[in-house]
Amino acid sequence: DQQVKQNSPSLSVQEGRISILNCDYTNSMFDYFLWYKKYPAEGPTFLISISSIKDKNEDGRFTVFLNKSAKHLSLHIVPSQPGDSAVYFCAARVWNSGGSNYKLTFGKGTLLTVNP
Amino acid sequence: ETGVTQTPRHLVMGMTNKKSLKCEQHLGHNAMYWYKQSAKKPLELMFVYSLEERVENNSVPSRFSPECPNSSHLFLHLHTLQPEDSALYLCASSQGLAGQDTQYFGPGTRLTVL
Repeated sequence: DQQVKQNSPSLSVQEGRISILNCDYTNSMFDYFLWYKKYPAEGPTFLISISSIKDKNEDGRFTVFLNKSAKHLSLHIVPSQPGDSAVYFCAARVWNSGGSNYKLTFGKGTLLTVNP
Repeated sequence: ETGVTQTPRHLVMGMTNKKSLKCEQHLGHNAMYWYKQSAKKPLELMFVYSLEERVENNSVPSRFSPECPNSSHLFLHLHTLQPEDSALYLCASSQGLAGQDTQYFGPGTRLTVL
């Protein structure tokens, strides 16, 4: 059972336009959400995060929105640049009740292509 | 070297071989992780170590054996693997396990089991 879902495997946008990447989750115990970006042949790198007590977090061109009632979050990139072309992973954090650590659950990722 | 490094970057092995994946972090972090990413599947957490102690073993088969000799190094020992174990194995580290500690990932080892 996939608790974090990115239903769009790919997205293509024009340079300068807005990119909107979506993520849905099922576990209401998730308390923190992150977006990671991955270029080919590199590991994922942290991009932006949001706590479950907030509904928006902004960092430069990147904004993450959280709708807890819908269990949905989205990443907005505006304006999109060709260098933003990468795979974007949504991740959600929950405390591991059987242990002593937080656990990240990842979505499958969305490949964003920004065309010049 | 900076960040999180992994060696080798690519590995091809037979089902009867024994090999090890190595991860090293140069960030002064206390927690380290092994993840597996199979084709068209999400990243799956395998193991978590904090201060060289294993705190999570996510129902991983015993043919995968982790080792954390110190807080900077993490190994994944592999033996009698199956072709379905072919995947990208990612190591990550974070300052600690609690709070909003960001995980920093290495580039991964692309493993192919023949």
